[in-house]
Amino acid sequence: GAVVSQHPSRVICKSGTSVKIECRSLDFQATTMFWYRQFPKQSLMLMATSNEGSKATYEQGVEKDKFLINHASLTLSTLTVTSAHPEDSSFYICSALTSGGAYEQYFGPGTRLTVT
Amino acid sequence: ELKVEQNPLFLSMQEGKNYTIYCNYSTTSDRLYWYRQDPGKSLESLFVLLSNGAVKQEGRLMASLDTKARLSTLHITAAVHDLSATYFCAVDKRMGNYKLTFGKGTLLTVNP
Repeated sequence: GAVVSQHPSRVICKSGTSVKIECRSLDFQATTMFWYRQFPKQSLMLMATSNEGSKATYEQGVEKDKFLINHASLTLSTLTVTSAHPEDSSFYICSALTSGGAYEQYFGPGTRLTVT
Repeated sequence: ELKVEQNPLFLSMQEGKNYTIYCNYSTTSDRLYWYRQDPGKSLESLFVLLSNGAVKQEGRLMASLDTKARLSTLHITAAVHDLSATYFCAVDKRMGNYKLTFGKGTLLTVNP
């Protein structure tokens, strides 16, 4: 149980375009999901907390107008990178928080974004 | 601000040897996690440690938690090449919506 999927697994886009990444909890409902970014050989950095039915909470230094998060249902959160630039190239990982007492994060397989 | 420090950041060891990775955190936390990450992959959960004195073992890996010292260890016994990966510890706090704070990771290379 507790499977989280991400789509796409890899995406290449041109500078100035936008790209959407989906994060789905497949066998549980998640009122809270998290989006992380990981640069090569670095740790995971939390970008934002996505709450179903409300606005996302962004970490300090993360541009909310650039990284749009929508958590429209209990099983889906999306991250849209708007007007992408090469420096946005990174590995984006989402996680979904289980509820019902355990409150543990399960991680998706990640999305490799390359902006050319 | 919660800070998590891991050491060493790089660990090269021979097969058959033992070693320990250390994880210190700065403030009281609710849970401590250990994850494994293979190149190009996402995180694989290894252990969740909930209370002081907790010890968990899976195969050649054993994790422990000392909440008074704010220290967790991941001990590797008789390392094998398949254990080569990056290992992260992370802590969360229920205040702050269960956000995880990660250490920088330990890149483990096990040589034949």
